[in-house]
Amino acid sequence: GAVVSQHPSWVICKSGTSVKIECRSLDFQATTMFWYRQFPKQSLMLMATSNEGSKATYEQGVEKDKFLINHASLTLSTLTVTSAHPEDSSFYICSAAETLQETQYFGPGTRLLVL
Amino acid sequence: AQKVTQAQTEISVVEKEDVTLDCVYETRDTTYYLFWYKQPPSGELVFLIRRNSFDEQNEISGRYSWNFQKSTSSFNFTITASQVVDSAVYFCALSEPFESNYQLIWGAGTKLIIKP
Repeated sequence: GAVVSQHPSWVICKSGTSVKIECRSLDFQATTMFWYRQFPKQSLMLMATSNEGSKATYEQGVEKDKFLINHASLTLSTLTVTSAHPEDSSFYICSAAETLQETQYFGPGTRLLVL
Repeated sequence: AQKVTQAQTEISVVEKEDVTLDCVYETRDTTYYLFWYKQPPSGELVFLIRRNSFDEQNEISGRYSWNFQKSTSSFNFTITASQVVDSAVYFCALSEPFESNYQLIWGAGTKLIIKP
């Protein structure tokens, strides 16, 4: 149980394009989903917390217009990196939890390379 | 000040040795949760354990065991008879309802290398 999928696992794109990453909870309903970014050899950095049906809460320093998050259903959240630039290249990981207080289960991550 | 400290950046042992990964935390909440996650080279974070602050019982799951001691604010993780497949980065994390609204506060991670 508690399986979270993430798609795509790898994406290479040109600078200026937008990239959408999907995060799905496969066997449970996730009221809350989280988006993280991880730089090489570092810990996870929380970007935003999203609750189903409401606007995401972004962490300080994260541009909400650049990283658009939509949590339209209890099993799906999407992160869109708009007008991607090379500095947006990173490993993006989502997690899902039944509620804010419950254990977060993580997706396999998406490696984004912007050329 | 760091709220979750994993002082061991990297540990290297030979297969079949026991190894303990340290985690020290800091919180003012009386209710809180502690976690361990494993991140193998593939990148996916695998949930290992969640412990709440009111349950100080140690836990064993196969070759894995956890020692939670509130007196020293530690939540250490031991792998017995390590195997090459245990090689990964292990993260300890803290969740506090009031101080941080249940967000996971991560340690820096410990890279565990198991040599055959």
